[in-house]
Amino acid sequence: ELKVEQNPLFLSMQEGKNYTIYCNYSTTSDRLYWYRQDPGKSLESLFVLLSNGAVKQEGRLMASLDTKARLSTLHITAAVHDLSATYFCAVDPLYNFNKFYFGSGTKLNVKP
Amino acid sequence: DGGITQSPKYLFRKEGQNVTLSCEQNLNHDAMYWYRQDPGQGLRLIYYSQIVNDFQKGDIAEGYSVSREKKESFPLTVTSAQKNPTAFYLCASSMGQDGVSPLHFGNGTRLTVT
Repeated sequence: ELKVEQNPLFLSMQEGKNYTIYCNYSTTSDRLYWYRQDPGKSLESLFVLLSNGAVKQEGRLMASLDTKARLSTLHITAAVHDLSATYFCAVDPLYNFNKFYFGSGTKLNVKP
Repeated sequence: DGGITQSPKYLFRKEGQNVTLSCEQNLNHDAMYWYRQDPGQGLRLIYYSQIVNDFQKGDIAEGYSVSREKKESFPLTVTSAQKNPTAFYLCASSMGQDGVSPLHFGNGTRLTVT
C-alpha cells in the first residue's frame, strides 16, 4: 500500500522563525506536489517538483525533492501570520501516473 | 476564466436518500477526480477518470458511483449504502494522459446527512 507521511502534523511557531515540513513517500516517483488549504476552503497548488534535486521557491516558502530518499521538504523562512494554513504534499506514482496520493497535511499556525 | 465548478456548496440530506454532487470543468482537462476530506484529515480518493466513458475506483469507492459521459462533467452520487457520508467533497482535474500538471480543485461541497 502506498503511503505518504507528513510531519509534523501540527506546527505552532512564532513569526520570524524558520521551520521545515517533511513529506516521505513509499513509492517510486519523480512527481511531487505541494498544496495549501485555508480553513473551510479548497486546495491551492503551490509547487510542482518533477525531478531529483528540484528546488522551487515562492516568497518565504521553498520546496525541494530528493527522489532517492523519497523525501520532499517545504521550508518556511521568517514565518508570517499569513502563512497559517494546512499544507499537503501529494505524490504521483511512476507506475500509475495521474493517480495522486495525499499526505495527512501539516496544520501550521504562525503566532504574531 | 477557466476553472472547476462544484455545486451546491452545502447539501443536507436525510439518511437513506441518494444524492448527486455536480462537478463541471472548462479547463479542457482529460482527467477528473473526486476526493473526500473529513475534519482534520487528508484527502482520500473516491473515483477518478482519465478519459470520457472510463473511470476507476479509488481507495474508498464503496457506497459511491460516478459517470463520465462528457469531458467537462464528472458527477458523484453518494448512495444510501455509504455508511458515513457526511464530509467535505472535493472535485479536481488535471491534464491527464502524459501531461504533467497539478490538480486543480473546485471549491468543494459540504454534505451533511442526518
